[in-house]
Amino acid sequence: GQQVMQIPQYQHVQEGEDFTTYCNSSTTLSNIQWYKQRPGGHPVFLIQLVKSGEVKKQKRLTFQFGEAKKNSSLHITATQTTDVGTYFCAFTSGTYKYIFGTGTRLKVLA
Amino acid sequence: DAGVIQSPRHEVTEMGQEVTLRCKPISGHNSLFWYRQTMMRGLELLIYFNNNVPIDDSGMPEDRFSAKMPNASFSTLKIQPSEPRDSAVYFCASSFNRGNTEAFFGQGTRLTVV
Repeated sequence: GQQVMQIPQYQHVQEGEDFTTYCNSSTTLSNIQWYKQRPGGHPVFLIQLVKSGEVKKQKRLTFQFGEAKKNSSLHITATQTTDVGTYFCAFTSGTYKYIFGTGTRLKVLA
Repeated sequence: DAGVIQSPRHEVTEMGQEVTLRCKPISGHNSLFWYRQTMMRGLELLIYFNNNVPIDDSGMPEDRFSAKMPNASFSTLKIQPSEPRDSAVYFCASSFNRGNTEAFFGQGTRLTVV
């Protein structure tokens, strides 16, 4: 079935550095969603992208959907300790089944 | 709304025992999902329901796992008999199935089978 791979699996950054995680699919996606899971917490929805080439921003976070709708990225500018967690991309298949990527675990060193 | 409510939050049980996890979705949501999260396998979709009907249970590991949704406000995931390899965090999520919408997750149940 459809799957999405995320890279990197882990990332350690110094506070203030930028961070990017990538989500790649072998097939065209109808949409891409991003979720954040804090340590010990549950996934929380951040944003959804549906248009080819779409770019959305939330403060220091920039989300992008590729032109071919097969990849997406999440970029965090000037990371803070509050950004710690695992970031998942996800998409909904034809019958609204949410398939999650493998996740990128971010650690921010103060 | 209180969000998706799961119980119990933690469960420790002995191998061979029956375990029942419970979920109350957000009122008005008509899709419900059960996920299992482990370090090795990430976030796996076990089963999902639409309007209380199981649509896809291909992610259910084996016959020891079963899920029900008797009404729009309640679902259970049962493991019988439980095994140590079932130890994981089990999440329930719900959404309003009308186009592209977000999934809302419960706090999860951390299951430990000893």
